[in-house]
Amino acid sequence: EVQLVESGGGLVQPGGSLRLSCAASEFTVSGYYMSWVRQAPGKGLEWVSIIYSGGSTYYADSVKGRFTISRDNSKNTVFLQMNSLRVEDTAVYFCARQPMGIQPFDMWGLGTMVTVSS
Amino acid sequence: DIQMTQSPSTLSASVGDRVTITCRASQSVSSWLAWYQLKPGKAPKLLIYKASSLESGVPSRFSGSGSGTEFTLTISSLQPDDFATYYCQQYNSYSRTFGQGTKVEIK
Repeated sequence: EVQLVESGGGLVQPGGSLRLSCAASEFTVSGYYMSWVRQAPGKGLEWVSIIYSGGSTYYADSVKGRFTISRDNSKNTVFLQMNSLRVEDTAVYFCARQPMGIQPFDMWGLGTMVTVSS
Repeated sequence: DIQMTQSPSTLSASVGDRVTITCRASQSVSSWLAWYQLKPGKAPKLLIYKASSLESGVPSRFSGSGSGTEFTLTISSLQPDDFATYYCQQYNSYSRTFGQGTKVEIK
């Protein structure tokens, strides 16, 4: 089955770090643009970061300098390294797939919850 | 960044109603506009892309229109499975901004 499965969420103190994973099945992540999108409790969707098939990366201003997106082609997995976490980073983090070109997100995972609290 | 504004934020409707949600962009996004459906505990679902193209497998009661800065999502006859939150998203730039969402509730 074609799917995305996120993992790695949990409870972390402010200033701490977490690494999220997004494992893909039945397709190759390097052939797509892959993004992370988050939804804070009671709030809307916020795009966080993207990694293009060629390896270029971009970030939302709210996470620039603190989060790093990467990809391991051998594991067919996309990662989001989150450092210097803040209370306002608390959210469900979704992984989303985008076909190459000007395309929408055509597949999403179920998400993983990140809670930043002391 | 391009800002997306949806209205209304909440909509109360009955099964069988025609429902329309509006999305405005702070600058032109051409037709690079998508609509998604979110339900708690489920993966977001793509409904409409390129402003008016229906994603495969999505019921034909969903339709989209617009271009430039003004867009609409219409559900022609609301069904029980359609009570959810809907988001527009522009994908004209790498920072793919979303509207703030419209929650469709049972009246």
